[in-house]
Amino acid sequence: NAGVTQTPKFQVLKTGQSMTLQCAQDMNHNSMYWYRQDPGMGLRLIYYSASEGTTDKGEVPNGYNVSRLNKREFSLRLESAAPSQTSVYFCASSDYRRTEAFFGQGTRLTVV
Amino acid sequence: KNEVEQSPQNLTAQEGEFITINCSYSVGISALHWLQQHPGGGIVSLFMLSSGKKKHGRLIATINIQEKHSSLHITASHPRDSAVYICAVADGGYGGATNKLIFGTGTLLAVQP
Repeated sequence: NAGVTQTPKFQVLKTGQSMTLQCAQDMNHNSMYWYRQDPGMGLRLIYYSASEGTTDKGEVPNGYNVSRLNKREFSLRLESAAPSQTSVYFCASSDYRRTEAFFGQGTRLTVV
Repeated sequence: KNEVEQSPQNLTAQEGEFITINCSYSVGISALHWLQQHPGGGIVSLFMLSSGKKKHGRLIATINIQEKHSSLHITASHPRDSAVYICAVADGGYGGATNKLIFGTGTLLAVQP
């Protein structure tokens, strides 16, 4: 049971570089989410997708873009990384009845 | 003021103690989640509640919708329970379809042998 799979697990970027974080779930969930986790703060929603073909901004969307490629995959792109984007990123998914939220293992990103 | 407040922020307990972590929220919700995060690890869902009480092994979660408060209890605590426990509420959104989660900052629990 893979659940939610995120890649990569670790990444170091230089300021201005771009990268895409990949997320895939095999549970046929409609909703998928990207969060960032910073010390002393709760997880904050970057973007979410309530269903295939739709995406919406969350609390902290600036500097990020997303793509809901299909029902399984939801990617997060940093076009021009900044040190303020150093964080741990989590992808999550849930089903329509939202009986449980499933999280990926996280991506630890450092921008230098 | 955060929409989801947890207390305490840090908790140290001796093995075998009964532990309570509290969560208060100020928004309307469709559900409340309790999550566990081990150091350097991923996040695991423990419970999802919309009313009443749920029990799983040594863990018990309760919610009082009128008071906008939830508690997570751990009975007979063990060092392997050491982790960050996170409360999150689902805001319901478009009739519940979006289910965006709003997180508390977590409670760091250390259970000493």
